[in-house]
Amino acid sequence: AQRVTQPEKLLSVFKGAPVELKCNYSYSGSPELFWYVQYSRQRLQLLLRHISRESIKGFTADLNKGETSFHLKKPFAQEEDSAMYYCALNSSASKIIFGSGTRLSIRP
Amino acid sequence: NAGVTQTPKFQVLKTGQSMTLQCAQDMNHNSMYWYRQDPGMGLRLIYYSASEGTTDKGEVPNGYNVSRLNKREFSLRLESAAPSQTSVYFCASSEPRGGTYTQYFGPGTRLTVL
Repeated sequence: AQRVTQPEKLLSVFKGAPVELKCNYSYSGSPELFWYVQYSRQRLQLLLRHISRESIKGFTADLNKGETSFHLKKPFAQEEDSAMYYCALNSSASKIIFGSGTRLSIRP
Repeated sequence: NAGVTQTPKFQVLKTGQSMTLQCAQDMNHNSMYWYRQDPGMGLRLIYYSASEGTTDKGEVPNGYNVSRLNKREFSLRLESAAPSQTSVYFCASSEPRGGTYTQYFGPGTRLTVL
């Protein structure tokens, strides 16, 4: 079955500390993975895609096919990073499956 | 360019009432989606439409119907609302770019069923 698992409902770190949001997936083919973010009172929006191998707002995510993971990382957290983060998998031509989300809280 | 719009923003229903959530996009996207967002459950796909004239069930379709009225509009109908359908509903659209699909979301509809 195709599935996206985000094991942490809430992650709280101090400003300046490293952040890692975990995401594991289950998919039989070659996965396309994404991280979406929802800031307070804003729409859900794309943060980054694994296919682009990009760094957005200091965040990076590496696809590890051996561990079936796509963890989101940032070396130094900032207060404006506080948000809800969703890992997502493109499971077919146009169908996207989301994980249950992790709320990231950055403490000053 | 408004992107994805949803109406209404808020709605309160009594158990058994019906209503339709409206969604429209002006980006000429082929694919459109309806999700519900619940605490601890994340975003769950209710129905999606890969292109005009087609609709498919997602993870949680029971209690809902959809209509892809045209390329722009994709509506979600609750025929007989239940308290379990209290949620925030998001519409999204997407189109393949660079070999992958990026989803664009609406602002959401907060629905309470009493």
